[in-house]
Amino acid sequence: GQNIDQPTEMTATEGAIVQINCTYQTSGFNGLFWYQQHAGEAPTFLSYNVLDGLEEKGRFSSFLSRSKGYSYLLLKELQMKDSASYLCAVRGYGQNFVFGPGTRLSVLP
Amino acid sequence: EAQVTQNPRYLITVTGKKLTVTCSQNMNHEYMSWYRQDPGLGLRQIYYSMNVEVTDKGDVPEGYKVSRKEKRNFPLILESPSPNQTSLYFCASAGRNRAYGYTFGSGTRLTVV
Repeated sequence: GQNIDQPTEMTATEGAIVQINCTYQTSGFNGLFWYQQHAGEAPTFLSYNVLDGLEEKGRFSSFLSRSKGYSYLLLKELQMKDSASYLCAVRGYGQNFVFGPGTRLSVLP
Repeated sequence: EAQVTQNPRYLITVTGKKLTVTCSQNMNHEYMSWYRQDPGLGLRQIYYSMNVEVTDKGDVPEGYKVSRKEKRNFPLILESPSPNQTSLYFCASAGRNRAYGYTFGSGTRLTVV
């Protein structure tokens, strides 16, 4: 079976750092993706990890440990516009993408 | 502009009346997919296609059909819609560069009464 878990909601303050965790159990692994989705809009691609370690992209970083089935998305210097849902997704065989339930992040002033 | 275009954006229909949601991409992507998104359930894959004339079921294919006769188009067909298919639907496409995942369309909000 396939299962991806993320916290349902998180709250953080503008300017702070927040870490959103994702754990997964999937049959087959060909990469882990993070997407951002504002309410009522389409998901947009943030990051991709296929090997263990940290990938950094400006204010956003993503980490992967394949042996632990674990990833996190780190957001630094939070801005109000970062208030959104963050979706963890695992690509299995072919183009079988499985998405987690998403974490709704609220950034407070 | 590289994009995935789906139509319509909003649709209200009655139970049993066949409908088609169109999806087109202009990036020459091989892979295309349909998702539905429901509160508390996240994005669930309905069908996906790895190339022309190659389609496969995702996690929730019941009640849906797809076709991939041309590379750019991947319509979603509901032969006999029911109220439990009321949802937000996204079409997405991806190319061979595995690092970029899917690019999503703007979504279709479907209500079946």
